[in-house]
Amino acid sequence: EAGVAQSPRYKIIEKRQSVAFWCNPISGHATLYWYQQILGQGPKLLIQFQNNGVVDDSQLPKDRFSAERLKGVDSTLKIQPAKLEDSAVYLCASSWGQIPLLYEQYFGPGTRLTVT
Amino acid sequence: DQQVKQNSPSLSVQEGRISILNCDYTNSMFDYFLWYKKYPAEGPTFLISISSIKDKNEDGRFTVFLNKSAKHLSLHIVPSQPGDSAVYFCAASGGYNKLIFGAGTRLAVHP
Repeated sequence: EAGVAQSPRYKIIEKRQSVAFWCNPISGHATLYWYQQILGQGPKLLIQFQNNGVVDDSQLPKDRFSAERLKGVDSTLKIQPAKLEDSAVYLCASSWGQIPLLYEQYFGPGTRLTVT
Repeated sequence: DQQVKQNSPSLSVQEGRISILNCDYTNSMFDYFLWYKKYPAEGPTFLISISSIKDKNEDGRFTVFLNKSAKHLSLHIVPSQPGDSAVYFCAASGGYNKLIFGAGTRLAVHP
């Protein structure tokens, strides 16, 4: 089966600009996750969708970050305006269900964002 | 607050020897623990997991040990191979809750 697809793979923008990332999960996976991985740290969950509803966005900086999952399939993550500290790899993951004990998360290759 | 800690940023091991990667956690509500492996320019991939009802889980060359009283888990790779060179992330969750990842340990297996 095809894996989680993400685009673009790399993006360089200046601070205060906006940027959007796209994710296509594994077909049939109901749960979709966006993680932020800053250099030297582990992935941190930004937002979790179950179908097209938000389950957890407690760590999403909502003043500048937004995300949506259209029709419960593809998802986009947007940053507007970007700050220097947003430089990171943005990982998308998907799974059949929400419970980590029962459902493995499959990760995409990530988008490396550099804000200058 | 770092609920999951991997205190060794890097580890170098000779091919054929044992690699031991360590992870500590602080949240006693965690009941499921995972190890992910990450190669450069790729996303993390699931390696092995253990639930809190067990103290050991084995899958081929990979074994995870859980010491609940010490809030510590470790990943053993025996024998280590050059293809095992990657960053290893420890992660934990409790019930329905999200995965919390450690900062990772970079393993280098040299011939």
